[in-house]
Amino acid sequence: DTAVSQTPKYLVTQMGNDKSIKCEQNLGHDTMYWYKQDSKKFLKIMFSYNNKELIINETVPNRFSPKSPDKAHLNLHINSLELGDSAVYFCASSQKGNQPQHFGDGTRLSIL
Amino acid sequence: DAKTTQPTSMDCAEGRAANLPCNHSTISGNEYVYWYRQIHSQGPQYIIHGLKNNETNEMASLIITEDRKSSTLILPHATLRDTAVYYCIVRVLNSGGSNYKLTFGKGTLLTVNP
Repeated sequence: DTAVSQTPKYLVTQMGNDKSIKCEQNLGHDTMYWYKQDSKKFLKIMFSYNNKELIINETVPNRFSPKSPDKAHLNLHINSLELGDSAVYFCASSQKGNQPQHFGDGTRLSIL
Repeated sequence: DAKTTQPTSMDCAEGRAANLPCNHSTISGNEYVYWYRQIHSQGPQYIIHGLKNNETNEMASLIITEDRKSSTLILPHATLRDTAVYYCIVRVLNSGGSNYKLTFGKGTLLTVNP
């Protein structure tokens, strides 16, 4: 059973398009996160939700909009995709914000 | 979160112990030391964390110096599958909001050789 699952695993699209990445966790965790890993392999937090409430919003363009319909899901919608958005996006969850985080296997986004 | 310093890369022979060092000389009294690793093409994986006592679990041991300014992650019998980037992170445990995030550095690429 996959604890934190992301779809799609790969996403190739053209500049200017709008796309969504979905994340689901079956661990019963209260807190979920989105991280971005760029081409230099630096991993940075983007957003975090606790029980559907936004608690972390790093300096991210407002083209990125997270949505948490329930505490088991945290989706990421990206408008007007740009070349610089090419990266691997990881979803994670934790029981509480201060507990170890469990990561999905990432969504590899490539912008043409 | 306190800054950490790790070697860029290390090698280890299969079956031997891998000792990964981390310096965190500016660590605060309420900051924990966490270790995660990232195997190629996978998401980061939690390994272990501790405050000041040495810790051991099924994956590894964590040795923290008495002054807490450095620590060592020990993989007792490294296998080829332990080849990964290992991240040492310090963060406050009992705090909310923005302190929930993990701040990843460059980590140490551990290569386990046959």
